[in-house]
Amino acid sequence: DGGITQSPKYLFRKEGQNVTLSCEQNLNHDAMYWYRQDPGQGLRLIYYSQIVNDFQKGDIAEGYSVSREKKESFPLTVTSAQKNPTAFYLCASSLRLNPQHFGDGTRLSIL
Amino acid sequence: GNSVTQMEGPVTLSEEAFLTINCTYTATGYPSLFWYVQYPGEGLQLLLKATKADDKGSNKGFEATYRKETTSFHLEKGSVQVSDSAVYFCALSDSGPTGGKLIFGQGTELSVKP
Repeated sequence: DGGITQSPKYLFRKEGQNVTLSCEQNLNHDAMYWYRQDPGQGLRLIYYSQIVNDFQKGDIAEGYSVSREKKESFPLTVTSAQKNPTAFYLCASSLRLNPQHFGDGTRLSIL
Repeated sequence: GNSVTQMEGPVTLSEEAFLTINCTYTATGYPSLFWYVQYPGEGLQLLLKATKADDKGSNKGFEATYRKETTSFHLEKGSVQVSDSAVYFCALSDSGPTGGKLIFGQGTELSVKP
């Protein structure tokens, strides 16, 4: 079945550590997105990519980095510069003229 | 800038009750509008969409009509079930019907009791 796979489901970060969240899709979608969800709030866009080897900052890109070396993969790195990283992270993808599909998310916590 | 405002939750209803979750938006141009649903511990699933004024989106007994004159996209269901318990997000896309760059409301938690 086609879909979006996010891993790991749960992730713990130590102070000063960078961590990378994986997002893979086999839907052949061109565009991919990363969102952050905090309790009682909507989703906020971190980064998005509409084509391989190109990506743009969203509304809250500070402290995060991404890469898009392959069409099916869009990993997100939460750097030590992100001072409040505890959140639920959601990856999504879309094909032109269709809405976004979401993965099941990664929950990041601080040790 | 563009924004979405939803009614605050949590909303608690008895099974078979009528559901309305209000959603209003601010946007330039002609955005597409969406309702997504999130079950506990999961990602978001598209529930329904509307791409132009007066369009009605519907799915699984849920409906919402794109009202440009009131800038609203309220979600309704005539008879809710316990399995409808989830968080519902209203969203708009200022990139047309592609669904790119979504702007979300804060979400409304629905709890349906037997």
